[in-house]
Amino acid sequence: EAGVVQSPRYKIIEKKQPVAFWCNPISGHNTLYWYLQNLGQGPELLIRYENEEAVDDSQLPKDRFSAERLKGVDSTLKIQPAELGDSAVYLCASSLGAGEGADTQYFGPGTRLTVL
Amino acid sequence: GNSVTQMEGPVTLSEEAFLTINCTYTATGYPSLFWYVQYPGEGLQLLLKATKADDKGSNKGFEATYRKETTSFHLEKGSVQVSDSAVYFCALSDSGAQKLVFGQGTRLTINP
Repeated sequence: EAGVVQSPRYKIIEKKQPVAFWCNPISGHNTLYWYLQNLGQGPELLIRYENEEAVDDSQLPKDRFSAERLKGVDSTLKIQPAELGDSAVYLCASSLGAGEGADTQYFGPGTRLTVL
Repeated sequence: GNSVTQMEGPVTLSEEAFLTINCTYTATGYPSLFWYVQYPGEGLQLLLKATKADDKGSNKGFEATYRKETTSFHLEKGSVQVSDSAVYFCALSDSGAQKLVFGQGTRLTINP
């Protein structure tokens, strides 16, 4: 079974430029998460989707960050414009969302963003 | 709010040594508890989990027991290997918000 797929793995951009990250969750997983992981810290939730609906985006900085999950499968996280402080690893995770094991999340390899 | 506190690192051990990484939590209700491992350049991998008090999660020689009375979920392994070198994260599942709350991570280095 394929795991959570993310691309790109690495991205280097100049500040004020836009950037987008893509995530394909495990097949059949209804719940999708985007986490931010700063260097030396644990991941922090940015947004959670149940199917195509964003049910928790309270930690997403909406002035510059946006996300979408069209058709309830793949998801894209965008930053526009990027700032130096956005340099971090952006992790995507998915889970079943219901039933036994619903609270177990599976993570992708992440996208390491460097803003110069 | 819910939170997780991990033993500060980094931790350096010799091969075949006994490992303990401490983890304590603060939570309302009855969260599930997890240990994730992150190898260099990779994403987080689920190592083990426990869903209720006194449950023991185990995988690849690692164990952790859900202790409600001490609000702890310490990770242990009897004999570590060089390949265990990684960053280990303790986390709880906030059932209300349906998100994982992570500790800050503990970097483990095993020397041959």
